[in-house]
Amino acid sequence: KQEVTQIPAALSVPEGENLVLNCSFTDSAIYNLQWFRQDPGKGLTSLLLIQSSQREQTSGRLNASLDKSSGRSTLYIAASQPGDSATYLCAVRSSNYQLIWGAGTKLIIKP
Amino acid sequence: NAGVTQTPKFRVLKTGQSMTLLCAQDMNHEYMYWYRQDPGMGLRLIHYSVGEGTTAKGEVPDGYNVSRLKKQNFLLGLESAAPSQTSVYFCASSYMTDLRPRNTEAFFGQGTRLTVV
Repeated sequence: KQEVTQIPAALSVPEGENLVLNCSFTDSAIYNLQWFRQDPGKGLTSLLLIQSSQREQTSGRLNASLDKSSGRSTLYIAASQPGDSATYLCAVRSSNYQLIWGAGTKLIIKP
Repeated sequence: NAGVTQTPKFRVLKTGQSMTLLCAQDMNHEYMYWYRQDPGMGLRLIHYSVGEGTTAKGEVPDGYNVSRLKKQNFLLGLESAAPSQTSVYFCASSYMTDLRPRNTEAFFGQGTRLTVV
């Protein structure tokens, strides 16, 4: 059974720092992995989608990597800003219909 | 472009009451999903649909029913609400093709915060 873990559960860093969020999964047979952002009381916004054949994806200050063999993905945020404060979720697609989710990392960027 | 829209956004129910959550998407997606999110846990799939007129059970289907009478709408029903169903509910949709059925992105609604007292 696929399990997805995100460590740490919470992270607080000063503004301007580069940071890395981690996502690990137990079964390497995935089709893709998606990173989401969730603001308090709001829905989920898709940040990056990495196909199983890809190693990384970039969007602005965000870079997501995928290492299927080791069951790991990282989300790198460059030059963090207070507006980056949110909960970041990763989810892996292991079948046509289901995403398996991590519990998220709550990120606080201190001005 | 509305994307995925959920109604209502908030609701408080008494134990035993019933209600229906509505999800509407305007992207012509085949797949639609209902998830619940509880503190400290990842989202869990309640039910999903692979097309109009079809539904299937997910990971935590007990106490819920769904219907997909129209392609753009996916309804989640609670027949007799219980405090354990207090949660935030998310609807999502995604596009699937025969050529690349799994390489697709999921789009989410804003969520419905349900409290059962």
